[in-house]
Amino acid sequence: QKEVEQDPGPLSVPEGAIVSLNCTYSNSAFQYFMWYRQYSRKGPELLMYTYSSGNKEDGRFTAQVDKSSKYISLFIRDSQPSDSATYLCAMSPPLIKAAGNKLTFGGGTRVLVKP
Amino acid sequence: EAEVAQSPRYKITEKSQAVAFWCDPISGHATLYWYRQILGQGPELLVQFQDESVVDDSQLPKDRFSAERLKGVDSTLKIQPAELGDSAMYLCASSSSGNEQFFGPGTRLTVL
Repeated sequence: QKEVEQDPGPLSVPEGAIVSLNCTYSNSAFQYFMWYRQYSRKGPELLMYTYSSGNKEDGRFTAQVDKSSKYISLFIRDSQPSDSATYLCAMSPPLIKAAGNKLTFGGGTRVLVKP
Repeated sequence: EAEVAQSPRYKITEKSQAVAFWCDPISGHATLYWYRQILGQGPELLVQFQDESVVDDSQLPKDRFSAERLKGVDSTLKIQPAELGDSAMYLCASSSSGNEQFFGPGTRLTVL
């Protein structure tokens, strides 16, 4: 079983709809959670970064973390065709040294927003 | 806006040949990572540097892969000899003091 599970999709929604993405994880040491967006043949782009349970909002994006259930979500409001991409969740344990920690990624969910 | 630079963007090679990828992190970022991403999967860490020192290379296939960051700035990842199963996207990322990692555009490797 993978440490981080993510539905591969594709998830197809009409323009303007809310996109709901989620990941589950098994390692209770994970304390930092990130969402990346990756367009085809491009590198991942950091969208959201959080380390506490609850919600964090940034424009049309809301990240939600439930550490008790080991479940994280990303919501995209008023979705646009330009939001069509693969969304990757990533997580890491707390920083215990000056160097960063390696990220453990989910497999990514492909999202298609149709005009 | 500062970005992670990688080259080449695409590389096609035959198996048993040697290939090398280059990465220039965001200026001032002490930590540099190399990840491999197989099509349809998430990235997996190959090696992590703090300045010029290797912090984690536990997932690097050391019989054929090598990585260096001699002056603690840019980095090179080498594969010799390349195998068919090495076909993937090779991503470089960098971070400063925190967990936020910023990725470059990647090098897409095809081994024939």
